[in-house]
Formats: sequence, C-alpha cells, structure tokens
Amino acid sequence: EPEVTQTPSHQVTQMGQEVILRCVPISNHLYFYWYRQILGQKVEFLVSFYNNEISEKSEIFDDQFSVERPDGSNFTLKIRSTKLEDSAMYFCASRQSYMIYGYTFGSGTRLTVV
Amino acid sequence: DQQVKQNSPSLSVQEGRISILNCDYTNSMFDYFLWYKKYPAEGPTFLISISSIKDKNEDGRFTVFLNKSAKHLSLHIVPSQPGDSAVYFCAAPGSGNTGKLIFGQGTTLQVKP
Repeated sequence: EPEVTQTPSHQVTQMGQEVILRCVPISNHLYFYWYRQILGQKVEFLVSFYNNEISEKSEIFDDQFSVERPDGSNFTLKIRSTKLEDSAMYFCASRQSYMIYGYTFGSGTRLTVV
Repeated sequence: DQQVKQNSPSLSVQEGRISILNCDYTNSMFDYFLWYKKYPAEGPTFLISISSIKDKNEDGRFTVFLNKSAKHLSLHIVPSQPGDSAVYFCAAPGSGNTGKLIFGQGTTLQVKP
C-alpha cells in the first residue's frame, strides 16, 4: 500500500537553529498538509498546499515557517529559527482528491529543540 | 467556533467487550466526521467516517453513531481486541475548502487480554 514517508524520524536541534523536515507524499496525490502534535495535546493543522502554493495556513504557521515542493516529489517544512515550543511531532499528510477519506499521514518526525 | 472535543482521555476494556469512544462538537455545519486511530511512533490512520446526513455507519467491528441534536458522535468497537489498543481521534473538516481537519484531543484505548 502506498505510504507517505517522512525523514528523519527524530531530530534534535539547538534553539535558534534552522531545521528542515522532509516528506515524500504518495505520488499521485495533489493536496499536501503539515500537522503537529505537542506532547499530550491534540493534533493541530499547520498548513495546506495545493497547486504549488499554500492554500491555507494556521495562526501557528508564522514567518518562521515555510513549505516547499522543490522537485515534484518532496514536500518540506522549514523552521527558520527554532524555539523550545516548536518541540513536537510533525506529521505530513497527502490526499489524491477532495474525497477526504483518502487522507494519508506519514509516521511523523519528532522534533526536539534544546 | 469550530471545536471537536473528546472528554475522556483514556478508556480500558476487557477483550471481547464493547469499547465506546465519545466525541462532542460545537459546529452544527460540519458535513462529515472521521475517526482516526494512532499507534505509538506512527501517523494517524483513517478508520471510519460518517456523513452528517446519516446517523450510523458500520464497517466490520466498527460502528459510528451520530446524534445531531446532541452534537455528539460515538465509535463502537465490538468485540474489542488487544490490537485495538491505540489512541483514537475524532476529526471534522475545518472551514474553507482546503481539506484541513480539526482533531479532538484523543482517547487512549487499552484492551486487556
């Protein structure tokens, strides 16, 4: 079964450093998302991406965050200057069409900012 | 205000018995609802959905019930199996047409052998 692949599975970074979280969505999917889950809290929407541009972003997704789909297969989330409160599990997701049950999540990247 | 709430952080049931996971919502305009299941170190996996025009949807051992007047939905697992032990999230579509989801806080289900 097709999967959404995320790398790395765990990243530790110093506060103030830039991190790039990588995702390879399912190849024929058109809609891409990043979510995060701070330990013990709910899964929160960060950003949606369609047709090579951001279609919606949450209040969390401030100027420190950016997304890119540089080569038609990878979908990256960059945090420019990490803060302690960015420590969370970050999930990438993709779906083929507007049929919402086709929403596939990756296994996540655990980001720890120290 | 669009909120989805799961007020029970955990549930423990015996293998073979019924598990009932509950979810409340505030926005009566949600078109559908979804349940996701999450194992440790994995992403959420879609489990079952229900349209707002229905009051029940069944898929094998999993049944979701929707009570629109009470703004409440529940997931029933019968019979429960140890492999069902996971975190269960209910979710609903956010506003707009980007397909974002709003998740509840999750309920950790433990099924004891």
